[in-house]
Parts: sequence; structure tokens; C-alpha cells
Amino acid sequence: AQSVSQHNHHVILSEAASLELGCNYSYGGTVNLFWYVQYPGQHLQLLLKYFSGDPLVKGIKGFEAEFIKSKFSFNLRKPSVQWSDTAEYFCAVRPNTGRRALTFGSGTRLQVQP
Amino acid sequence: DGGITQSPKYLFRKEGQNVTLSCEQNLNHDAMYWYRQDPGQGLRLIYYSQIVNDFQKGDIAEGYSVSREKKESFPLTVTSAQKNPTAFYLCASSPGQQFEAFFGQGTRLTVV
Repeated sequence: AQSVSQHNHHVILSEAASLELGCNYSYGGTVNLFWYVQYPGQHLQLLLKYFSGDPLVKGIKGFEAEFIKSKFSFNLRKPSVQWSDTAEYFCAVRPNTGRRALTFGSGTRLQVQP
Repeated sequence: DGGITQSPKYLFRKEGQNVTLSCEQNLNHDAMYWYRQDPGQGLRLIYYSQIVNDFQKGDIAEGYSVSREKKESFPLTVTSAQKNPTAFYLCASSPGQQFEAFFGQGTRLTVV
């Protein structure tokens, strides 16, 4: 069965700082990869996704992620965070075969201080 | 408006009672999912359904049951056998394998 690890549980940054959130997964086959965000009091929203092709994917609000197949990683990045990026971020993986449901990491709570 | 509707937003029940959480979607999506969210544990898959009249257990199905009699509806019943039912429950749907999942607003269940 697949699993997802998010190493940073709580990250505190000042506005304009750069962000990188780690995500590693374990699965032997081909996967689709996702980052979701949950702003306070709001529903889970898709930030970006990777299915195939260019391993560097760009999402909404200036976020991007890079899929490194050899490292089973899909880290999320943003060059300059804003106070409005305060939220919880979830990495998720879905195999292309077998159980076709998202498996999520435990989440990273990001707090951006003005 | 198209979307996923979960109701109610907050639900209180006494211990030992079964409770059913509603999830309806008007997006014409084939697949639907139920997740449970607990602090520090992310989202864990309870049940999922790829098509009407079919569903599969997820990672934490014990104490839960579902049905998928209609494409647009995927209700979740939390039974008295679920040892720790107090949690935030999220329903999601997806048009298919090559697409992301879309989430509802969630139902916060408190069992006292």
C-alpha cells in the first residue's frame, strides 16, 4: 500500500520568505501527485497536480512543485510567501493501478507572520 | 451552482447511536470518497466508490458503512461500533482517474 510522508508539521515564516515543504511517497509504480491547501474555515482546494510530462508543475497563487522520481519526492515551493498563505497544506498520491483513491500525508501547518 | 454538498455542517450525537452523514454532488462525477480528518493525522480514507452500486473499503472502514444507490449521493453511516467517532468528515468526488478530487465543506461530528 502507498504512503505519504510530510516531514514538516508546523512551519512559521515571515512574509517574503521562501517556502519549501517536503513530501515523499512510497509506492513502486506510477503515481499521480497532488498538493491541496486548506485555508482556515474553508474547504480543501487543489493547489497543483502532476500526472506526466514536465516534472516541474506550476499551480495557483505562485506555488510550484517538482517531481523527482528517483527520490520519490514532490516538494512544494513558493519564492515569497504572503500572510494570506497561512493554511494547512496536504500532499497526496494516487497510484495509476490498484486502489484509485488519494492517500494523504499528515499535513503541514504554515503560519506566515506579517 | 455545481458542487459537493455535505450536511449538516455540525452534528451532535449521543454515544451508542448510529448517525448518517449526507453527501450530494451535482457534478456528474463517477467516483466519490469519504475521508476522516483528525489533527496531525491528515486525511484517512474510509470508503470510496468508483461507480454506482459499487464501493470499496478504505484504510479505516471499521465502524462505518456506505451506500451508492444513486450517482449523485454517497451517504456515510457512523455506527455505534466506531470506537472514536468524533472527527471532521470530508466527502469528495472526481470525474475519473485522470482528474483531481473535489471536496465538500465537511461535517464536524461530535459524539458525547
